Amino acid sequence: EAGVTQFPSHSVIEKGQTVTLRCDPISGHDNLYWYRRVMGKEIKFLLHFVKESKQDESGMPNNRFLAERTGGTYSTLKVQPAELEDSGVYFCASSPDWYQETQYFGPGTRLLVL
Amino acid sequence: GDSVTQMEGPVTLSEEAFLTINCTYTATGYPSLFWYVQYPGEGLQLLLKATKADDKGSNKGFEATYRKETTSFHLEKGSVQVSDSAVYFCARARDDKIIFGKGTRLHILP
Repeated sequence: EAGVTQFPSHSVIEKGQTVTLRCDPISGHDNLYWYRRVMGKEIKFLLHFVKESKQDESGMPNNRFLAERTGGTYSTLKVQPAELEDSGVYFCASSPDWYQETQYFGPGTRLLVL
Repeated sequence: GDSVTQMEGPVTLSEEAFLTINCTYTATGYPSLFWYVQYPGEGLQLLLKATKADDKGSNKGFEATYRKETTSFHLEKGSVQVSDSAVYFCARARDDKIIFGKGTRLHILP
């Protein structure tokens, strides 16, 4: 069974540009999550989809971040416009159920904003 | 608020040494607890988990016991290998979220 995949693995952009990250969850997992780790900090929750609906977006830092999951399959996370402090590693995870469940993580996208 | 605190790294050990990485958590109730591991160049992998008090999670020679009385979930391995070199994250569940510690980088010398 394929794991969670993320694309791209690395992205280097300039401040003010737009970047779109993609996540493909494990097949059959209704729950999809985004997390990020900025340099030297903990991995922090951003948001949670159940199928195509946003269940919890309490961790989204500001309105420059837009997450979508059309059709309840893959998800995209767009940062527009990117700022220097957005640099970090963005992880996606998925799970079949959501309450206190194990989440299966992808390899992450390493974003560097110059 | 809810948090996970783990020992700061890096931790450097010789091969076959005994490993302990301390982890404590704050929580109301009894959250599920996890150790995740990130090997160089790879993503986060679940190493082990425990879902209730006194449960022992184990995998690949690693163990951690859910200690309610001390709110701890320390990671141990009796004899580490060079291939165990990685970053280890202690974590707890809170509803639909995983709350992570800062991670402990482990270096094993041959």
